Amino acid sequence: GAVVSQHPSRVICKSGTSVKIECRSLDFQATTMFWYRQFPKKSLMLMATSNEGSKATYEQGVEKDKFLINHASLTLSTLTVTSAHPEDSSFYICSARAGFAEQYFGPGTRLTVT
Amino acid sequence: AQSVTQLDSQVPVFEEAPVELRCNYSSSVSVYLFWYVQYPNQGLQLLLKYLSGSTLVKGINGFEAEFNKSQTSFHLRKPSVHISDTAEYFCAVSLKSSGDKLTFGTGTRLAVRP
Repeated sequence: GAVVSQHPSRVICKSGTSVKIECRSLDFQATTMFWYRQFPKKSLMLMATSNEGSKATYEQGVEKDKFLINHASLTLSTLTVTSAHPEDSSFYICSARAGFAEQYFGPGTRLTVT
Repeated sequence: AQSVTQLDSQVPVFEEAPVELRCNYSSSVSVYLFWYVQYPNQGLQLLLKYLSGSTLVKGINGFEAEFNKSQTSFHLRKPSVHISDTAEYFCAVSLKSSGDKLTFGTGTRLAVRP
């Protein structure tokens, strides 16, 4: 099946710094990738839809200047959390669309902001 | 807007017993339905999906689900669970018109005891 990787799997950063998370589709090309945020014991919340070669589409309430998304190639999308604060600590998961109405998910990135 | 309800936050069950995880959805238009499983500190893995056709859908790891349009339900079942089935299970829907954006339920923790 289709494989999606994320890097890093865990990151700890200091408040005020920026962190970049990579999402890669390893064995297929993905024109569309999605970024989700998962709070402890909560469901996944869609943050934005990332389209290759164009601007990302953000969900209501998600700050696009804080969560920068770049989808520079058909296999790579990046999420940069700018000026991170402790409330940004969360589990970030990406997915890539592979076929009609089907997404493959990455293993997630645990971000801790101290 | 569509929504997904998973009433059971946790379902404890003994090994080799049958289990049913409940999922109800709300939508004014036709939807696709999905069940995903998440193991600790990992991303989501697709168990099964309903797009059209037979309302009984068989997935991986011996799971199956039945789409009931009149009850707007998509309950997940397994006749005999294993310890390794212990995980978080998420029900999700997407609109047939878009097919992409997933709306997740809050998840059900399946805890299998020996």
